[in-house]
Amino acid sequence: AQSVTQPDIHITVSEGASLELRCNYSYGATPYLFWYVQSPGQGLQLLLKYFSGDTLVQGIKGFEAEFKRSQSSFNLRKPSVHWSDAAEYFCAVGSNNAGNMLTFGGGTRLMVKP
Amino acid sequence: NAGVTQTPKFQVLKTGQSMTLQCAQDMNHEYMSWYRQDPGMGLRLIHYSVGAGITDQGEVPNGYNVSRSTTEDFPLRLLSAAPSQTSVYFCASVGRGQTSQETQYFGPGTRLLVL
Repeated sequence: AQSVTQPDIHITVSEGASLELRCNYSYGATPYLFWYVQSPGQGLQLLLKYFSGDTLVQGIKGFEAEFKRSQSSFNLRKPSVHWSDAAEYFCAVGSNNAGNMLTFGGGTRLMVKP
Repeated sequence: NAGVTQTPKFQVLKTGQSMTLQCAQDMNHEYMSWYRQDPGMGLRLIHYSVGAGITDQGEVPNGYNVSRSTTEDFPLRLLSAAPSQTSVYFCASVGRGQTSQETQYFGPGTRLLVL
């Protein structure tokens, strides 16, 4: 069975600092990997996804993620965090590139200090 | 386009009551899914559909029924609500395209409290 682990439940960074959110997955075949962001009281918005090709994926809002098969990881990064990035971030793995049947991690709540 | 809409936004039920959570999308998406979100557990897939008339179970289907009579609508039914079903429910849809441009859209959620 597939699973996703996000080891950090909460992360606090200063505005302008760099950010890395960790994600480890378990999946028997080629994984389709996704990062979503959820602002308080809102639905989820797709930041980026990976299912083939270049292992460094660029997304919206200046985010990127790197797929490392040897480490079963798909960490999310941003070089300079803005106060508006404060939200909850979810990593997910799917069995196809449509992403309609996802297994999510528990989420990482990001707080940004001024 | 309205995207994915869900009604109601908030509902309180008593144990044993039934209700239907509505979900509709106007993007002509083939795929639709229902998830529940609980603190610390992310979202978990309840049921999904790959087209009108076709549904299947996800990770946590017990206590929930679905049907897909049209492409646009994908209601989730709770036949006899239990306190363990207190959660936030999200509906999502995505097209069946095979390109990297497909994006899954989530609705705003329905917050359900079962007493």
